[in-house]
Amino acid sequence: AQSVTQLGSHVSVSEGALVLLRCNYSSSVPPYLFWYVQYPNQGLQLLLKYTSAATLVKGINGFEAEFKKSETSFHLTKPSAHMSDAAEYFCAVSVTNTGNQFYFGTGTSLTVIP
Amino acid sequence: GAVVSQHPSRVICKSGTSVKIECRSLDFQATTMFWYRQFPKQSLMLMATSNEGSKATYEQGVEKDKFLINHASLTLSTLTVTSAHPEDSSFYICSARDPGRGLNYGYTFGSGTRLTVV
Repeated sequence: AQSVTQLGSHVSVSEGALVLLRCNYSSSVPPYLFWYVQYPNQGLQLLLKYTSAATLVKGINGFEAEFKKSETSFHLTKPSAHMSDAAEYFCAVSVTNTGNQFYFGTGTSLTVIP
Repeated sequence: GAVVSQHPSRVICKSGTSVKIECRSLDFQATTMFWYRQFPKQSLMLMATSNEGSKATYEQGVEKDKFLINHASLTLSTLTVTSAHPEDSSFYICSARDPGRGLNYGYTFGSGTRLTVV
């Protein structure tokens, strides 16, 4: 079975500080991993994805994530938080043997303090 | 590429009425679309998988008679909330994958529909 765990439903950082959002996955087969961002009353926007190529993945808006198989993790980071980064972030796993469904984490709400 | 359009973005309806939400793939054909429901401050929960030309597959606990899904063409899936009640108020999001792209491309999500039943 596949699942995603996001530690910390709420994360607050100061503007300019490091952003670290945690995601651990469980999958019986090599997964595809994604991070999405959701702004209020909007759909999901893809930040980045891991698809078995480079383990360090760079996405949009300065975000990046590193796939660590030994830790079954795919944490999202950004060196310097911006006020516009305040949003809800979802980690998701997709595997090909499940009809290509997504399994979402419970989400992490990021607050950026000026 | 791989754009998904969802309409309406916001709808308010009276209790007991039905509401239809449309999900369109604009630049690709989608044999499969997915419908999600999101409660405030919560994650997305898969409601059903919409299959073009056949019946939708519903997740456990989702009432198929209440949430009617029709996927009559390769670019359009509709979700109809029948006899809506206040507890159906939620944010509904659809997604689809461009089969012309690799599986690692991922899915594109619609912008969501905020349903409020009064």
